[in-house]
Amino acid sequence: DAKTTQPTSMDCAEGRAANLPCNHSTISGNEYVYWYRQIHSQGPQYIIHGLKNNETNEMASLIITEDRKSSTLILPHATLRDTAVYYCIVREIQGAQKLVFGQGTRLTINP
Amino acid sequence: GAVVSQHPSRVICKSGTSVKIECRSLDFQATTMFWYRQFPKQSLMLMATSNEGSKATYEQGVEKDKFLINHASLTLSTLTVTSAHPEDSSFYICSARKDRGFVEQYFGPGTRLTVT
Repeated sequence: DAKTTQPTSMDCAEGRAANLPCNHSTISGNEYVYWYRQIHSQGPQYIIHGLKNNETNEMASLIITEDRKSSTLILPHATLRDTAVYYCIVREIQGAQKLVFGQGTRLTINP
Repeated sequence: GAVVSQHPSRVICKSGTSVKIECRSLDFQATTMFWYRQFPKQSLMLMATSNEGSKATYEQGVEKDKFLINHASLTLSTLTVTSAHPEDSSFYICSARKDRGFVEQYFGPGTRLTVT
């Protein structure tokens, strides 16, 4: 079972920052937080991952709370092409390292 | 980058026939590949994990004799849906991981299977 909770859907205006929350209150010390997104009828795309420090790359920023029980994915300047389903996933550092997808958040960027 | 391809992108087959889907890592060697299935308006469901040169590990409820997985090389894994039925119609997606120490997993574009 997925170990994360995300809002079902969100809307954001084009050009604004999109902040997608994720709750992972049962995360353990050996689990990373991953974010993927899936544009309609395509395979998921890796966005970013982190363990306990905040992370930033060319696509997004990941803010993880100090207790690691929740995180926020930030798309700083959302475009129409960012419309997708965003999945927050926790995964073990070792072991099978399977990605178990929950229902995700359907993000719609409006013009 | 790390590119994963799938072939075919779409396939239509008759009920009772078998269909093979290929997953290739184009610019890296993948020690582990994963197969997912996604029904309309639903999330991805992991079907099995395959490691090069060994038998696949199937998730609970997935019939290993119906969904045959072969990971014969470090760049190719195949999923064969045997004796397909309309309820097997779905979007099949593979992903690949470079090595056990590498945390990122790269996904293919998916294969749309329609069984008539």
